[in-house]
Amino acid sequence: QVQLQESGPGLVKPSETLSLTCTVSGGSISSYYWSWIRQPPGKGLEWIGYIYYSGSTNYNPSLKSRVTISVDTSKNQFSLKLSSVTAADTAVYYCAGGEGFTLWGQGTLVTVSS
Amino acid sequence: SYELTQPPSVSVSPGQTARITCSGDALPKQYAYWYQQKPGQAPVLVIYKDSERPSGIPERFSGSSSGTTVTLTISGVQAEDEADYYCQSADSSGTYLVFGGGTKLTVL
Repeated sequence: QVQLQESGPGLVKPSETLSLTCTVSGGSISSYYWSWIRQPPGKGLEWIGYIYYSGSTNYNPSLKSRVTISVDTSKNQFSLKLSSVTAADTAVYYCAGGEGFTLWGQGTLVTVSS
Repeated sequence: SYELTQPPSVSVSPGQTARITCSGDALPKQYAYWYQQKPGQAPVLVIYKDSERPSGIPERFSGSSSGTTVTLTISGVQAEDEADYYCQSADSSGTYLVFGGGTKLTVL
C-alpha cells in the first residue's frame, strides 16, 4: 500500500525558508496530484498547494508569493519550500495525495522561532 | 477568496443521527469531500465525490448534496465517532482547493 512520509527540520528561524520533503513509498508518484496541507496548533486545515508528476503546480493564493512545490520522480519525492516564515507559519505540515486526499503522511510539526 | 462554512460544533447522544453541514457557492459545480480527524492523528477520508464511501469506512457514514450545501450524516453514532470533521472542495474554476473550518462532533 502507498505510504507518505514527511521529513525536514522541526525548527526554523523567522525570515528563513521552511523546507520539507515527502517520500512516496509502495507506489509511483506518477499518479495523482500531490499536495501540502498545514494545520496550526488547535486550528483547522489549510491547503498550501499541489503538484502533478509532470511538474504543473497550483498554490493557495494567500501563500502563492512565498511557496514553491517541486517533484523529483527519480526519488519518488515532492518538496515544499515556504520563504520568509513568521510565527504564523508554525503548524503541523502534512503531505497528501489521491482522489480527494485518500493518502496522508503522519504530519510533521514545524515551529518558527528564534 | 472562496470559503466553505461549517458549524463549529455538533453534539449527539450515542445511537442518534449526526448531521454536519458545509455551505459554499461553488458546491453545485464541485465535488465535496469529508475528512475525520482525531486528536494527534492525520485526517482520514470518509466521503468522496459528495456521497461515495471509501472502502473500510463504516456504512453509517453517508454524504448528500443539495444546492450550495453538502451534508455528512452519521447514523447510529458511536463514541468512537467523536472527532473533528472537515469538508473540502474547490472554487468554481476547480483551480484552488479549500477546507471548511471544521466541526467538532461531541458524543454525549
